[in-house]
Amino acid sequence: DVKVTQSSRYLVKRTGEKVFLECVQDMDHENMFWYRQDPGLGLRLIYFSYDVKMKEKGDIPEGYSVSREKKERFSLILESASTNQTSMYLCASSPMWGGTSLSNQPQHFGDGTRLSIL
Amino acid sequence: RKEVEQDPGPFNVPEGATVAFNCTYSNSASQSFFWYRQDCRKEPKLLMSVYSSGNEDGRFTAQLNRASQYISLLIRDSKLSDSATYLCVVNYYGDTGRRALTFGSGTRLQVQP
Repeated sequence: DVKVTQSSRYLVKRTGEKVFLECVQDMDHENMFWYRQDPGLGLRLIYFSYDVKMKEKGDIPEGYSVSREKKERFSLILESASTNQTSMYLCASSPMWGGTSLSNQPQHFGDGTRLSIL
Repeated sequence: RKEVEQDPGPFNVPEGATVAFNCTYSNSASQSFFWYRQDCRKEPKLLMSVYSSGNEDGRFTAQLNRASQYISLLIRDSKLSDSATYLCVVNYYGDTGRRALTFGSGTRLQVQP
């Protein structure tokens, strides 16, 4: 079974702090993702990474950055936390997509980190 | 306009009922489609992939209509354990052409005894 582990289940930080959310997967997956989930808005993609040191912006990258120094670890960084970044953050991983063939590669999610910015 | 739209519900149905959810997507180039299930305060989990010809997995049937750009999920003989939020998921093309997934906001189902 794929295991995606997020470092904290609950986290409380203050406005202006630099916040690190860590995610580790144990299945040697190439792709890793960070989402936030808010009521009525669903899951929104912040950033994803398809290889070590590679990253790509998702739908809402503003105010966030990411780091992928090792294949198994994908970190989300809130450079200067703000109250509108209070949310549930979900990390996911998936194997590499095939070339041009239709690839049904589902994502496996971690348990989530509920982050509150005060 | 959202890339993936779903009726948020909730759908309240009695046990044994048949219920259908629809989902529309805006990117005609999308190629991969899924339904995920999310229980309250849990992470999303893959329910089933959706294939062009339609596919069935036990009580669950998924259909894809590319011309109209919608996906459906049919649940027959609903069980109490089917109560959850169902997320429609479509692949997404990032700036470099690499694909990620876009999630709908989800449709909440409540099956009642």
